[in-house]
Amino acid sequence: AQKVTQAQTEISVVEKEDVTLDCVYETRDTTYYLFWYKQPPSGELVFLIRRNSFDEQNEISGRYSWNFQKSTSSFNFTITASQVVDSAVYFCALSEADTGNQFYFGTGTSLTVIP
Amino acid sequence: EAQVTQNPRYLITVTGKKLTVTCSQNMNHEYMSWYRQDPGLGLRQIYYSMNVEVTDKGDVPEGYKVSRKEKRNFPLILESPSPNQTSLYFCASSRGGWETQYFGPGTRLLVL
Repeated sequence: AQKVTQAQTEISVVEKEDVTLDCVYETRDTTYYLFWYKQPPSGELVFLIRRNSFDEQNEISGRYSWNFQKSTSSFNFTITASQVVDSAVYFCALSEADTGNQFYFGTGTSLTVIP
Repeated sequence: EAQVTQNPRYLITVTGKKLTVTCSQNMNHEYMSWYRQDPGLGLRQIYYSMNVEVTDKGDVPEGYKVSRKEKRNFPLILESPSPNQTSLYFCASSRGGWETQYFGPGTRLLVL
């Protein structure tokens, strides 16, 4: 079974629209860490955020915000007022503290922002 | 500059010809890892290492070998490459297994 599910394979939005990328994870650990990475067309992987399982506070960083809900095992990512530069593949990832070793990535969501 | 470097960046080879992709980090990180990225499958972990001389299998280790003789280096070895190992490979490092991973630029491998 997939540890991290990103059900949205591709999303297209028009510039300035808001968009939410979904991430659902599966773990039995009480301590775990969740991540989002961005992969722009140039191919590098850029770290966006890391959250631990004990911190359910939503986080906002500029136009980016993250909604962590343990009750639904979700860690969704919202981009407000999207821009063309946001076009990229976005990956959600999970690391479990009990093993503390393996990283599990989702299959990614390809976001295209149309000018 | 803190970074993870990989070499080569691009490689075309033939089935069965042994190859090594090097990975080096200058951040004194304990943890290093290799991933492959394939369309529709995301990133899958091949091997990881928590410290020198300690390596473990990830989700897709078949056909790959690694070694961690020095803290900064973590080479990926394909003893007998096959076409199904054609992929984009990323090396990453972090302070620990649950810490933020920093990725190299990627190595695009084509096995004919």
